[in-house]
Amino acid sequence: DAEITQSPRHKITETGRQVTLACHQTWNHNNMFWYRQDLGHGLRLIHYSYGVQDTNKGEVSDGYSVSRSNTEDLPLTLESAASSQTSVYFCASSEGANFNEQFFGPGTRLTVL
Amino acid sequence: GNSVTQMEGPVTLSEEAFLTINCTYTATGYPSLFWYVQYPGEGLQLLLKATKADDKGSNKGFEATYRKETTSFHLEKGSVQVSDSAVYFCALTPSGGYQKVTFGIGTKLQVIP
Repeated sequence: DAEITQSPRHKITETGRQVTLACHQTWNHNNMFWYRQDLGHGLRLIHYSYGVQDTNKGEVSDGYSVSRSNTEDLPLTLESAASSQTSVYFCASSEGANFNEQFFGPGTRLTVL
Repeated sequence: GNSVTQMEGPVTLSEEAFLTINCTYTATGYPSLFWYVQYPGEGLQLLLKATKADDKGSNKGFEATYRKETTSFHLEKGSVQVSDSAVYFCALTPSGGYQKVTFGIGTKLQVIP
C-alpha cells in the first residue's frame, strides 16, 4: 500500500544545531507540504512543493529550508535550531486539483533545548 | 486572504449525544471544503469533503453541508461514541490553480462514557 513516512518520530536537539527531518511518500504525488502544529495555532504551512525542483515558502518559513530532488522526498532542514521551533511537524502529499485530499505522515516531535 | 474559523474547545459530550462543531470561512470564489480528524498520536486524515455549494459530505455518521450563503461548513453527528474523541480540523482550498490548504485551529472533542 502507498504511504507517507516521516523520520525520526522523535528528536531532541540543542539550540544552534542543524536538524533535518525526512519525509518520504510512495503515492507518486506531485504536491508535498510541511506543517508545524502548535497549541493555539492549529497547523501552519512552512514550505511546499508542486514538483521536482519546485519549492515555495509558506506562512512560517523563516529558519527552515526544503529541497525537492525527486518526487518521493521533501526533507525539511532547520538551519540553526531555536527553542521556538519546538513543535510537532507533519509532512503531507496530494495530487493535482484543489479538491483532492492531502495525505499526512505520522508526525515528528522535535524538542530544541 | 483565506481563513477558517472554528472554536478551539475542548468540547466535552456524553456518549450518544448530538455533536455540532461550527466552521465558517472567508475565501473568494468557490473553495473546496474539508473536515480532517486527528486521533491521539497520529497525523490528520480526511473525514469528509464538499466541493461545491449545497453539497453534503458524509462519512462514519458525520455530515457537513457546504453553505455558500452563510460561508459555513458545520460538522454534525447524531450520536457520538467514545472512539470519536479526537481533534477536528475544518479546512479549505481555493478555487482554481494549485492546492494549498488553509486550516482552522482545530476543535478537540472529548466523549465520556
